[in-house]
Amino acid sequence: QQQVKQSPQSLIVQKGGISIINCAYENTAFDYFPWYQQFPGKGPALLIAIRPDVSEKKEGRFTISFNKSAKQFSLHIMDSQPGDSATYFCAASIVLTGGGNKLTFGTGTQLKVEL
Amino acid sequence: DVKVTQSSRYLVKRTGEKVFLECVQDMDHENMFWYRQDPGLGLRLIYFSYDVKMKEKGDIPEGYSVSREKKERFSLILESASTNQTSMYLCASSLHQGIGREKLFFGSGTQLSVL
Repeated sequence: QQQVKQSPQSLIVQKGGISIINCAYENTAFDYFPWYQQFPGKGPALLIAIRPDVSEKKEGRFTISFNKSAKQFSLHIMDSQPGDSATYFCAASIVLTGGGNKLTFGTGTQLKVEL
Repeated sequence: DVKVTQSSRYLVKRTGEKVFLECVQDMDHENMFWYRQDPGLGLRLIYFSYDVKMKEKGDIPEGYSVSREKKERFSLILESASTNQTSMYLCASSLHQGIGREKLFFGSGTQLSVL
């Protein structure tokens, strides 16, 4: 079953606009919620992350909004630029019994920012 | 700069062949992971390891095995490749504990085609 649901699957935004990608999760044991950005031909790279004890985190033009009661979180990209065109994955992390963390990823959103 | 290196960018194999995908990291990370990436399905965890000679099944381990003989190297093995294993395979690594343990560093991926 898909433990982390992500929408939309694809998104086209005009340059300067706001891109919004949404995710929802089921397991309340998740304790860390990162977003990864992937450019063609590259592996995903950590973009921004949040813990469930805060409702918002902002880094430059990127903001995560987190709603613990609704078990939802979203990525907002302000002033979207063509260079932001990439695939974005939300994820949720759980601490493993033996140590370390296990990430469960959403299905991805392909963002295209047009001039 | 930290690096996760996957031995092949593209690989073409025939049904029934035994396939080895190699991954090396230079960050002295304890944890290593193998994911497969498919359009519309996101990243799905196949196997992970948090120590040499240790391995744990992920969400979709069927048809795969792994080997971790050295800390820096994690191999994914397809014992008898099938066409439904055609996919992008991504290796990742992370710290086992401490600050930053949730952050995964990914390789650039191996696109495997099984004919």
